[in-house]
Amino acid sequence: QKEVEQNSGPLSVPEGAIASLNCTYSDRGSQSFFWYRQYSGKSPELIMSIYSNGDKEDGRFTAQLNKASQYVSLLIRDSQPSDSATYLCAGGPSKIIFGSGTRLSIRP
Amino acid sequence: GAVVSQHPSRVICKSGTSVKIECRSLDFQATTMFWYRQFPKQSLMLMATSNEGSKATYEQGVEKDKFLINHASLTLSTLTVTSAHPEDSSFYICSAISTGSNEKLFFGSGTQLSVL
Repeated sequence: QKEVEQNSGPLSVPEGAIASLNCTYSDRGSQSFFWYRQYSGKSPELIMSIYSNGDKEDGRFTAQLNKASQYVSLLIRDSQPSDSATYLCAGGPSKIIFGSGTRLSIRP
Repeated sequence: GAVVSQHPSRVICKSGTSVKIECRSLDFQATTMFWYRQFPKQSLMLMATSNEGSKATYEQGVEKDKFLINHASLTLSTLTVTSAHPEDSSFYICSAISTGSNEKLFFGSGTQLSVL
């Protein structure tokens, strides 16, 4: 079983709608979770980090963590075409492991 | 915010040569740095965890004699790809943990290695 799993997509969302990205993890000892955005040919850039159960909001982005169910999600409100990218979920107790990424496409 | 500098951004080399990639944390000390490799349209695969002042911890399947990691200071880790072959061509990315109230992982800009 992969340590961090994501749906590879592509996920297509109309502009202005909410995009929902999900991630599950297998290591119950994981404490730190991150969402990264990666454009083709570029290095990942940090969007959100979350460490405790519940929601964390930052602008149009909301990260949700549920340790009991071992999932972490990212919601993008008012989706923009510039949000089209691959979104990587990462987490771990010490070394950070990445999911395979979800390709998100925002259609005008 | 915390910044991680990676150099070079792109390198083309002949098969059999060695290539060194540097990763620096610019405004924080990083006792731990990570090296990842990413093939086209694939996710980041952790190669090794670099710890300042001690030997790196390599992931299963990663040859430690081929990918030499040195973390001699709290702000610098280097990855040397020895005797590079075309199959080593990939996007190599380093990252460093900024500790504090909450840990955050910051990435370098990546190095695109092409071995001819």
